[in-house]
Amino acid sequence: EVQLVESGGGLVQPGGSLRLSCASSGFTFTTSWMHWVRQAPGKGLVWVSRINTDGTITDYADSVKGRFTISRDNAKNTLYLEMKSLRAEDTAVYYCAKDGWGSWGQGTLVTVSS
Amino acid sequence: EIVMTQSPATLSLSPGEGATLSCRASQSISSPYLSWYQQKPGQAPRLLIYGASTRATGIPARFSGSGSGTDFTLTISSLQPEDFAVYYCQQDYSLPLTFGGGTKVEI
Repeated sequence: EVQLVESGGGLVQPGGSLRLSCASSGFTFTTSWMHWVRQAPGKGLVWVSRINTDGTITDYADSVKGRFTISRDNAKNTLYLEMKSLRAEDTAVYYCAKDGWGSWGQGTLVTVSS
Repeated sequence: EIVMTQSPATLSLSPGEGATLSCRASQSISSPYLSWYQQKPGQAPRLLIYGASTRATGIPARFSGSGSGTDFTLTISSLQPEDFAVYYCQQDYSLPLTFGGGTKVEI
């Protein structure tokens, strides 16, 4: 069974940083592109970033480009999202998802507030 | 950026009725790159349809997808109590990947 478990969310002040993790199991992580998607409270889904199998190709939404960095550790079957210069509008539940979109984590809440 | 527009925003129906949800793309999308999701409160999205018309594993046959180019449709043939939720379409044809704003199907 595919499992994706996000962690690392929490309350952070504007301008602060946070690193999210997504621990994966039940599938071959090393051959899967991975994504981050976020959802602000009461709002819709927004794609944030994706990464290829070996981490050499990364793509970002314009709203996070230059502030967020996606990475992966294939030895640990873990996906990361490093978030810097956080803004109030980054407040959201962050989901990791396996490419093909059939498997999503349960999400981790990031709240940016003073 | 391809903008995905869903309509209606809200659909008020009764169990047993059929539902037709629309998704329009601002430019043409190749069908393999159009998906539909269901999301219930407090839960992650669940893949229903990929490739515009192929049901994902375990999805009941009452869910069907159709369309091509810029116009796509999700049809629920006979609403069950568990189908009342928010539905999103998504394109992964070109970057940035984009979702529609969602259609809430309510009782």
